[in-house]
Amino acid sequence: KAGVTQTPRYLIKTRGQQVTLSCSPISGHRSVSWYQQTPGQGLQFLFEYFSETQRNKGNFPGRFSGRQFSNSRSEMNVSTLELGDSALYLCASSNPLGTLGNIQYFGAGTRLSVL
Amino acid sequence: DAKTTQPTSMDCAEGRAANLPCNHSTISGNEYVYWYRQIHSQGPQYIIHGLKNNETNEMASLIITEDRKSSTLILPHATLRDTAVYYCIVREGSNFGNEKLTFGTGTRLTIIP
Repeated sequence: KAGVTQTPRYLIKTRGQQVTLSCSPISGHRSVSWYQQTPGQGLQFLFEYFSETQRNKGNFPGRFSGRQFSNSRSEMNVSTLELGDSALYLCASSNPLGTLGNIQYFGAGTRLSVL
Repeated sequence: DAKTTQPTSMDCAEGRAANLPCNHSTISGNEYVYWYRQIHSQGPQYIIHGLKNNETNEMASLIITEDRKSSTLILPHATLRDTAVYYCIVREGSNFGNEKLTFGTGTRLTIIP
């Protein structure tokens, strides 16, 4: 079974631009979560989607948004990029309709650099 | 989610067992203990999880105290590839709703040759 796939792996943008990151979950997984990792703040939860609906949202500004498609693939978008948005963006998928204590599996991440 | 406390860093000799402690004194009855690790700049890798019984898989063993206020992750024969940051996380294990994982600062484990 293929793992969680994130594209692109690396991205360089300039301040003020917008960016879209993509995540393909493990086949059969219906939940996709997004996290931001920076040296200063560590790993922080952005939001989670299940069946095309956002169920949970972390404490991030509205510039950060996402969506999920009917095939469970997800995208996140960051508009009006700031230098502080430079980070490793991680996607995780899970099957919350499985056994209790379901496991989230992470992709390799997209490293975004904002210049 | 309950909070966890882990040592900032630990060293372990290659071939020896690595024992990583975690305190979660405010854990509630329906919260599971999960362990993940992150090797430099890669995505976190799931290791093991448990509710109240000790668990073992091909990667590690998880020992949870009877009062569930602390746990220990055991890597039985550490190799250099086990050098990573290890995160202990507690989360409600319900089937619906809360997929959020709250990561702390973790323990940086260094395996010494």
